[in-house]
Amino acid sequence: SQQGEEDPQALSIQEGENATMNCSYKTSINNLQWYRQNSGRGLVHLILIRSNEREKHSGRLRVTLDTSKKSSSLLITASRAADTASYFCATDAIPSNTGKLIFGQGTTLQVKP
Amino acid sequence: DAEITQSPRHKITETGRQVTLACHQTWNHNNMFWYRQDLGHGLRLIHYSYGVQDTNKGEVSDGYSVSRSNTEDLPLTLESAASSQTSVYFCASTSGLGSPLHFGNGTRLTVT
Repeated sequence: SQQGEEDPQALSIQEGENATMNCSYKTSINNLQWYRQNSGRGLVHLILIRSNEREKHSGRLRVTLDTSKKSSSLLITASRAADTASYFCATDAIPSNTGKLIFGQGTTLQVKP
Repeated sequence: DAEITQSPRHKITETGRQVTLACHQTWNHNNMFWYRQDLGHGLRLIHYSYGVQDTNKGEVSDGYSVSRSNTEDLPLTLESAASSQTSVYFCASTSGLGSPLHFGNGTRLTVT
C-alpha cells in the first residue's frame, strides 16, 4: 500500500531558483524521511524529521512537517545543476519501530544550468 | 568506509530460472531490507531481516525468498523468475529501526 504521495511528479527549474516538493501520507507516523536518488544509483538519506518536530534545516534543505494535515514539504534553496535527481519521502508509520519505511513515488527534479 | 554492495549490477535471465541477488554490508547493521523499484509504484518492500536467522515477508514477497546466515549478507532469491519480476532491486540496512536507511546501488534484473 502506498503511504506517501508526492507532488509534483516532475519539476524543472533554473539554477539558482528554489525547488519545493510536497509529500502527503495517510497514517500516523513516528518520523518522515527524505531521500535523493541520482540516475542509476541507490537512494541517499537527506533528512529525518520526527513527528513532534515542525521544521528542520540541513544546509540548503528545509523540511516542514504538518501532522494535522499529514503532509511534509522539502525546500531546496539556491538550486544547483548537481541537485538534479529524484526525491522521495518515506514514512516510518505507527506502530513504531518496525523499520519498514514506506516510500512515495518521488518527484523528479531537473535543474537547468 | 563502511558500505553496502550489491551484485551483479545488471542481470538478464530467462523465465523459470532461479536467480540470486547478493547484498553485502560492512556497517555491521542487524537490520536489512530488500526493495524493488518500478515506475508508477515507487519502492516496495520485498523481505527484511532483523538479525541472523530472522527473515520476514514484506508487501510483495510472493516468488521471492531470503536467508540470513550472518550479519553481513542478505541474498535475495527468485525461485522461478517471471517477467513481472523485471525490476530494479535495492538492498538497504540500518542500525536502528526508524533510523535512516543506507542503500546499495541496485541490481537491474531483466527476465525474458
